[in-house]
Amino acid sequence: SQQGEEDPQALSIQEGENATMNCSYKTSINNLQWYRQNSGRGLVHLILIRSNEREKHSGRLRVTLDTSKKSSSLLITASRAADTASYFCATHNNNAGNMLTFGGGTRLMVKP
Amino acid sequence: KAGVTQTPRYLIKTRGQQVTLSCSPISGHRSVSWYQQTPGQGLQFLFEYFSETQRNKGNFPGRFSGRQFSNSRSEMNVSTLELGDSALYLCASSLPGAIDNEQFFGPGTRLTVL
Repeated sequence: SQQGEEDPQALSIQEGENATMNCSYKTSINNLQWYRQNSGRGLVHLILIRSNEREKHSGRLRVTLDTSKKSSSLLITASRAADTASYFCATHNNNAGNMLTFGGGTRLMVKP
Repeated sequence: KAGVTQTPRYLIKTRGQQVTLSCSPISGHRSVSWYQQTPGQGLQFLFEYFSETQRNKGNFPGRFSGRQFSNSRSEMNVSTLELGDSALYLCASSLPGAIDNEQFFGPGTRLTVL
């Protein structure tokens, strides 16, 4: 079963704008990861944030984690048409091997 | 380094048949996990194999099974296919014992059950 919800389910923005996606989860976690998927293909790992971290940056990506609210957000700054994809958050619990529990995903469309 | 490879990429079967999907992890990765992705249920964990042993299993019926070979390659099998088994099946590999379990995903096998 899915860990939680992602919000919004779909997002359409213009190139150059920022895109923010939110993820909520239900149980305690070891880390939370964000993945991108283009058109039903494989998932590409974007960024990982550990449960003891609050914010992390990677290029145009900024991830925040609030364990008290069991939520995370992914910000993509200065979006490009190539950022058009589905974005998924996934949580990892140390008691579950390498199993990841995914959210429902946000479909992002960046219009040129 | 070559990425995770999955074969076949596309597969069409009919109800009642069985199917075997293959996954070759990145060299040196000994953990392989399988996920099912459908529009209705999203991405769901099937099972994980590590050193030829199933380490974790998701909430799927016994028709779904898997195995891992000594070279870390993994196969999953679905018997008595149902229409609802139509999905994208993804496998992912990772390094064992990594503090952060970054997963590397293959391109997936698109299974259509008619």
